[in-house]
Amino acid sequence: VQLEQSGPEVKKPGASVKVSCKASGYIFSTYGISWVRQAPGQGLEWMGWINPYNGNTDFAQKFQGRVTMTTDTSTTTAYMILRSLRFDDTAVFYCARYSTTYGLDVWGQGTTVTVSS
Amino acid sequence: QSVLTQPPSVSGAPGQRVTISCTGSSSNIGAAYDVYWYQQLPGTAPKLLIYRNSNRPSGVPDRFSGSKSGTSASLAITGLQAEDEADYYCQSYDLSLSGHWVFGGGTKLTVL
Repeated sequence: VQLEQSGPEVKKPGASVKVSCKASGYIFSTYGISWVRQAPGQGLEWMGWINPYNGNTDFAQKFQGRVTMTTDTSTTTAYMILRSLRFDDTAVFYCARYSTTYGLDVWGQGTTVTVSS
Repeated sequence: QSVLTQPPSVSGAPGQRVTISCTGSSSNIGAAYDVYWYQQLPGTAPKLLIYRNSNRPSGVPDRFSGSKSGTSASLAITGLQAEDEADYYCQSYDLSLSGHWVFGGGTKLTVL
């Protein structure tokens, strides 16, 4: 079971970033995908999750209106798009496999997003 | 400020036992929501350590144990080893408007 994330990104303030998370080794539609942000030297911050089976999403209030989460079941890939980037969005973004039983039991390696002018 | 409060740091000598607390409220842990624990070694992605309060995934040593009571939860590590030095995070579900799943602020464990 593995989650492989896309490479590092550098974006300007106001731009959008799209991070991908390729799942393998399990039936993609049977587990959710959560996204977690970690700013430099800071703790983990839950952003939201998506159910690949039906596309339903649930976002932390802080990110509502600025984040989109989608999945492509044909390629078993999840995507997270964060818009209107600010300097304090500079962080490592993780995807993680989610279930109500195990929580976040498999994590991607993380994608570094740097917001810089 | 997270709705789940953890001590910023704990420490212990090799072989000792340490505990990390995770204090919540009636809108999360006290509302009977399960607690999960994650270990993050320096420069790596977090790893699931404990699920549903006290269960260990396969491969996690039995030196790690979790418990929950009332509005708090705890992670205990016995027989402390140098490789246990890491950041530890608790996670639970919260009913308040601040979000749904929430993490504690994290605890840095230093092995002396």
